[in-house]
Amino acid sequence: DAGVIQSPRHEVTEMGQEVTLRCKPISGHDYLFWYRQTMMRGLELLIYFNNNVPIDDSGMPEDRFSAKMPNASFSTLKIQPSEPRDSAVYFCASSQTPGGAPSSYNEQFFGPGTRLTVL
Amino acid sequence: AQKVTQAQTEISVVEKEDVTLDCVYETRDTTYYLFWYKQPPSGELVFLIRRNSFDEQNEISGRYSWNFQKSTSSFNFTITASQVVDSAVYFCALMIYNQGGKLIFGQGTELSVKP
Repeated sequence: DAGVIQSPRHEVTEMGQEVTLRCKPISGHDYLFWYRQTMMRGLELLIYFNNNVPIDDSGMPEDRFSAKMPNASFSTLKIQPSEPRDSAVYFCASSQTPGGAPSSYNEQFFGPGTRLTVL
Repeated sequence: AQKVTQAQTEISVVEKEDVTLDCVYETRDTTYYLFWYKQPPSGELVFLIRRNSFDEQNEISGRYSWNFQKSTSSFNFTITASQVVDSAVYFCALMIYNQGGKLIFGQGTELSVKP
């Protein structure tokens, strides 16, 4: 399997521009997560989907951020308008619903990340 | 509230020294999972280990070992005979059972192993 694919790997943009980050989860996985990594806040969950439906978006910083999952194999994270403080590495991860036993769990597989720089 | 604390921001050791990375977690849930991830300079997140709350057995994998103690809510990670290639940021993380699989990360510990 190709693993979780993210594009672009690097993005440099100017303040005020729209930025779209893309993620292709592992085939068959029904959970998709977006995380952001910054020096100040570390790794934090922004939003996650189950079966293409957003379940928890409490980590989305503000209305400038939006995420969609139009189908099981594709998700986007959009920032409009972008600001310098949005500069970070954005990770996408996917996982599969575990079995019912407590010993089961959703092992997450992370993509390589997108390094976003907003000037 | 659920929280993971890695009190050591940076650690520097000389090659072949042993080093322990501390992780303390907080949760009222009885079923949960703990993880360690490694983030080398290249930036990707590499899964190292997972333990569930029912299994306090310590684990050893080569030079790596993990000590899970529910009594102190700790899940510490020891590297024996450290090597330069171990230089990375290490994250401890918590996942609560039946909460969709979201990970709660600690702030990370940057380990520098000098030759």
